[in-house]
Amino acid sequence: AQRVTQPEKLLSVFKGAPVELKCNYSYSGSPELFWYVQYSRQRLQLLLRHISRESIKGFTADLNKGETSFHLKKPFAQEEDSAMYYCALSEGYSTLTFGKGTMLLVSP
Amino acid sequence: DTGVSQNPRHKITKRGQNVTFRCDPISEHNRLYWYRQTLGQGPEFLTYFQNEAQLEKSRLLSDRFSAERPKGSFSTLEIQRTEQGDSAMYLCASSLSWADTQYFGPGTRLTVL
Repeated sequence: AQRVTQPEKLLSVFKGAPVELKCNYSYSGSPELFWYVQYSRQRLQLLLRHISRESIKGFTADLNKGETSFHLKKPFAQEEDSAMYYCALSEGYSTLTFGKGTMLLVSP
Repeated sequence: DTGVSQNPRHKITKRGQNVTFRCDPISEHNRLYWYRQTLGQGPEFLTYFQNEAQLEKSRLLSDRFSAERPKGSFSTLEIQRTEQGDSAMYLCASSLSWADTQYFGPGTRLTVL
């Protein structure tokens, strides 16, 4: 069975500090991995997916198949980055399996 | 607003009652998904449709749950004989096709007293 682990419930950093939100997965096949973000009082929305290799809002994520990780990184955090972040895995482009999420708080 | 919409946004019911939620996907999106999210957890998959066909159901979807998508447009999720454990946020998402981004609705928060 596929599983997504986000080991940190809460990550608190100061503005301008680097951010790394951890995500590890277990899946025997070739996964499609995503990061979704939910800002306060807003709906869940896609931040980025590994296959597109884009940088969105300064965030990047690299799929490391050897370590089965897909950590989300940003070199300089901004206050507006404060949100709930979910890592998700898709098998065969169908359903999504989500991690429990990490709350990122960026303080001024 | 051309995003995914869900109604009602909040529902409070007594244990044992039946409830029905509605999801309107983005126009022309063929796939429609239902997820459930409880406190402190990420969304968990319940079921999904390709047009009007229900293609997969999670083990979380007990016999008390039924979902439909008549004519491949909007979808309804019904819970019969609600239990307190059904209290959760029910999320709907849609995508243009199987490989496309899933866009989420605002959710329906169910509270079972």
